[in-house]
Amino acid sequence: QKEVEQNSGPLSVPEGAIASLNCTYSDRGSQSFFWYRQYSGKSPELIMFIYSNGDKEDGRFTAQLNKASQYVSLLIRDSQPSDSATYLCAFPKGGYQKVTFGIGTKLQVIP
Amino acid sequence: DGGITQSPKYLFRKEGQNVTLSCEQNLNHDAMYWYRQDPGQGLRLIYYSQIVNDFQKGDIAEGYSVSREKKESFPLTVTSAQKNPTAFYLCASSILGYTGELFFGEGSRLTVL
Repeated sequence: QKEVEQNSGPLSVPEGAIASLNCTYSDRGSQSFFWYRQYSGKSPELIMFIYSNGDKEDGRFTAQLNKASQYVSLLIRDSQPSDSATYLCAFPKGGYQKVTFGIGTKLQVIP
Repeated sequence: DGGITQSPKYLFRKEGQNVTLSCEQNLNHDAMYWYRQDPGQGLRLIYYSQIVNDFQKGDIAEGYSVSREKKESFPLTVTSAQKNPTAFYLCASSILGYTGELFFGEGSRLTVL
């Protein structure tokens, strides 16, 4: 079983819709989760992190964590064409010394 | 402005040559990392370092070497032993204890001819 799994997409949504990106993980001991956004040809940038079960909102972004089911989600409300990018979920491992990344989900927002 | 500087942005290498990718940060971060990114495979950890003069292998360290002589610098050497070195290389740093909050450089794209 992979440590972290993401659907590579592409996920296509119309402008203004809600985009839902999901990630499952295998390590029940994982405590914190991170979402990075990566535009084509660029480096990743951190956009959200979540430590506790439930939802965390930041502007148009909401991160959701369900430790019992071992999944973490990122919702993007009112999706814009500028949100078109690859979204990577990540979590620390190895005694919190290093970070494992999923392969990323490519999101396309259609105007 | 604080940040991470990687150089060169693009590099071409002939087979059998070693190349060194530079990574410098002025964020005063203790931890530094090197990742490799290939299409469809996400980011894979090559090496990481939490303090000067100490570093650990990541998941794909074979064919690579690093040094950490200064807090600000973490260069990566891609040796001729690396069988498939063509990739996008990303350097990152973080505050010690905040491992998930990585700051990335702009990356170096290496192509082996």
